[in-house]
Amino acid sequence: SAVISQKPSRDICQRGTSLTIQCQVDSQVTMMFWYRQQPGQSLTLIATANQGSEATYESGFVIDKFPISRPNLTFSTLTVSNMSPEDSSIYLCSVVQGAKYEQYFGPGTRLTVT
Amino acid sequence: SQQGEEDPQALSIQEGENATMNCSYKTSINNLQWYRQNSGRGLVHLILIRSNEREKHSGRLRVTLDTSKKSSSLLITASRAADTASYFCATDESGGGADGLTFGKGTHLIIQP
Repeated sequence: SAVISQKPSRDICQRGTSLTIQCQVDSQVTMMFWYRQQPGQSLTLIATANQGSEATYESGFVIDKFPISRPNLTFSTLTVSNMSPEDSSIYLCSVVQGAKYEQYFGPGTRLTVT
Repeated sequence: SQQGEEDPQALSIQEGENATMNCSYKTSINNLQWYRQNSGRGLVHLILIRSNEREKHSGRLRVTLDTSKKSSSLLITASRAADTASYFCATDESGGGADGLTFGKGTHLIIQP
C-alpha cells in the first residue's frame, strides 16, 4: 500500500488564524479524501480532493472554511480557516489506489485551537 | 451521511479470549471495511468485505457481512494485549472507491493481560 505522510503532525493555533495541512503520497493515487475526527468521536468525511478541480464537499462543510487543493496525483492540502476551538480535531487524509476499494489513511494532524 | 452503529461501545476481555464487535449500517453498500486505531493515531486498514461476500478471514480476524440485516461483525481470536485499540467499521456506499467512507462510532477494545 501507499506510504502517506502528513505535515504538521500536530499544532496549537490561536483562534481566528488558519492552518494548512499537507498530505503527500509516495505513489500516484486515484482518489484522495479528507476526514475530521473530533475528540473521542469517529471520523467524518469533509471532502473529496479532486485533481485539478474544486473539491467535492460533504454536507456541513464549505469551501470557505476548508479550502482544499490537489495539484497532482500525489499531493493535497487542507486549510482550516478562521479557526475556533470547535475546530480542534485530528485531520486525516486517505487515498485509494488504482481500481482497489481499500482506503489507506495518513497518520493524521492533531490540531488544537486556543 | 448517517453513521452506522457499533456495539458494544467498549469491551474489556482477558488476553487469549475472543473479541466480537458488531456494526450496523443504514444504506446499500458496495463494501464494508474495518479499521483499527491506537490511541488517537492513524487508522490501520484491517480487512475489506464486498457486498456479495458473507465471510472473510485474515490471520486472527474473521469478518461476516449480512446485507439483509445491514450488519457486520469482526471477530478477533486469541486476543493479545497489542490488540487494545479502537475498532471502526466503515461503509462504501458508492460504486466502490469513488466516494469517501461512512464510519461507525467505534468499539474501544481493552485486552487485560
